[in-house]
Amino acid sequence: DAGITQSPRHKVTETGTPVTLRCHQTENHRYMYWYRQDPGHGLRLIHYSYGVKDTDKGEVSDGYSVSRSKTEDFLLTLESATSSQTSVYFCASREQGRGNQPQHFGDGTRLSIL
Amino acid sequence: DAKTTQPPSMDCAEGRAANLPCNHSTISGNEYVYWYRQIHSQGPQYIIHGLKNNETNEMASLIITEDRKSSTLILPHATLRDTAVYYCIVRPLDNYGQNFVFGPGTRLSVLP
Repeated sequence: DAGITQSPRHKVTETGTPVTLRCHQTENHRYMYWYRQDPGHGLRLIHYSYGVKDTDKGEVSDGYSVSRSKTEDFLLTLESATSSQTSVYFCASREQGRGNQPQHFGDGTRLSIL
Repeated sequence: DAKTTQPPSMDCAEGRAANLPCNHSTISGNEYVYWYRQIHSQGPQYIIHGLKNNETNEMASLIITEDRKSSTLILPHATLRDTAVYYCIVRPLDNYGQNFVFGPGTRLSVLP
């Protein structure tokens, strides 16, 4: 959807290891978002970015950090992964426009922390 | 607080129109109605959005009542590939990165 690529698509790692997920968009969208999706919780916002080097926390930001050094890339890092961070992670982007533009989502990264 | 209410599940026969309702009785004047769907194992897919006028695109039509307290997403000729969870989201106009809040949605099953 709308030129958003997430990598890796699947990852299995061990508790305590660092993990970085990448989101790449080709639409020159200003805003980018990281969500996690868990059964019974729907989609929850982790962090978002409103421009290069401009980021802010979402509702479930503890244990996660992000970086955005280029418009097209938004990285999500788990500094020391825990089993509670096992989830499906979605990235989204949105153009600036008049403020009513929809978000467009990638196909997700399925992350398992053992 | 939930801003929208949707039935948890619906069935539709293949080839028939699927009409998915959404109640948003507390909607404010500057809030838009968005519809997304999520097919199993994929990311949410944007379908359509509107403020107060009915909208149509290649995927669906959005009918918003005159008082804006409810809306209906119409898939005119449902196919098996339309089986998915459909989310109705109400969100205000903004110029910075507010997120979309996804509720539990409606699980639509298109039956052969």
